[in-house]
Amino acid sequence: AQSVSQHNHHVILSEAASLELGCNYSYGGTVNLFWYVQYPGQHLQLLLKYFSGDPLVKGIKGFEAEFIKSKFSFNLRKPSVQWSDTAEYFCAVIRSGSARQLTFGSGTQLTVLP
Amino acid sequence: EAGVAQSPRYKIIEKRQSVAFWCNPISGHATLYWYQQILGQGPKLLIQFQNNGVVDDSQLPKDRFSAERLKGVDSTLKIQPAKLEDSAVYLCASSYGGSNYGYTFGSGTRLTVV
Repeated sequence: AQSVSQHNHHVILSEAASLELGCNYSYGGTVNLFWYVQYPGQHLQLLLKYFSGDPLVKGIKGFEAEFIKSKFSFNLRKPSVQWSDTAEYFCAVIRSGSARQLTFGSGTQLTVLP
Repeated sequence: EAGVAQSPRYKIIEKRQSVAFWCNPISGHATLYWYQQILGQGPKLLIQFQNNGVVDDSQLPKDRFSAERLKGVDSTLKIQPAKLEDSAVYLCASSYGGSNYGYTFGSGTRLTVV
């Protein structure tokens, strides 16, 4: 079974629509959670991360994510998307004791129509 | 600060040929990672270095892949001989290893094996 699951492979939205991308992980124990974005032709960039504390974390460019421990989920949200948000989004996990290795989900391609 | 530098950006080779990729991490980052990103999948860790020592190479296909990080700075990843299934983007990342898991990714090398 895949350790980090992103069930939406491709999402198409119109500008101003709300976004929610799902991410589930299958590890027990302590995890650190991340969302990365990859714009066409560019390198992976960190959107936001969760280590501990408030399960609702805010990132750059108006993105936020909520950690729900009971559901092993870390879904990414944005209230109103823009055409410039078109990119691929990756959820990633660092498990405790993993030598700080990122394990990625398979990614979700987001296309925002103008 | 300067980012993680990788070269070349693109490479096309025939199967059974050899190829090498180069990565120069951010100055002072002790940890260096090589990831393989096959089209439609998330990045998968190949090897992790701490300074010039290997931390984890359990997912590196050692019959054809090799990597080194001489002097604990830049690194090379080699494939010999290449197979069609090695077509992917090879990402290098570095981290200073602090508590915030400050990963920085390079833009990657896109390898096409024909």
